Amino acid sequence: GAGVSQSPRYKVAKRGQDVALRCDPISGHVSLFWYQQALGQGPEFLTYFQNEAQLDKSGLPSDRFFAERPEGSVSTLKIQRTQQEDSAVYLCASSSGGTGYIYEQYFGPGTRLTVT
Amino acid sequence: GENVEQHPSTLSVQEGDSAVIKCTYSDSASNYFPWYKQELGKRPQLIIDIRSNVGEKKDQRIAVTLNKTAKHFSLHITETQPEDSAVYFCAASTGRNTGFQKLVFGTGTRLLVSP
Repeated sequence: GAGVSQSPRYKVAKRGQDVALRCDPISGHVSLFWYQQALGQGPEFLTYFQNEAQLDKSGLPSDRFFAERPEGSVSTLKIQRTQQEDSAVYLCASSSGGTGYIYEQYFGPGTRLTVT
Repeated sequence: GENVEQHPSTLSVQEGDSAVIKCTYSDSASNYFPWYKQELGKRPQLIIDIRSNVGEKKDQRIAVTLNKTAKHFSLHITETQPEDSAVYFCAASTGRNTGFQKLVFGTGTRLLVSP
């Protein structure tokens, strides 16, 4: 079946612009995660949704970052007033289970954000 | 919070040799340890995982071992092939006591398999 998809694949933003990154999880997956991957580093957790509920946003680096999943399916990560340090690959992952048991996470291809 | 360390950062082997990548973790409550392979510009792909109720798991040429007492786990690739060349990430679950678990990743190992 279809895997996790993300759009756009590449985004160039001027410093100060707002951006919106989209994630389409695997159909029926309850859990959705956003990660930030800096060049040469492992993915770092940003936020987690179980269906439409955002249960953990402890990894969001500042209040310029906002994520939503209003209908429990597609999710959007929004970054306001982008800064150069926001340049990274933003990865989305989904898994079939909810809390209490950790299930396999499947990643999307990521969105490479470059802030100039 | 959980801290995952991964070694080595780079590993070069000849085709047919074995490769071993090691990770340590700090959260004694961690109970899930996946390994991901990431080729340049591609998504991380889950290649194998292990849960804390077993000590070893194999899948063809790859295997993972877990030592809960020492809090370390390792990825073993036998009979390496050039297509195994990629960056490999280990991860450990954390947050078990909160009812919600997430993954903390290591910094990655770049594996190069030369023909």
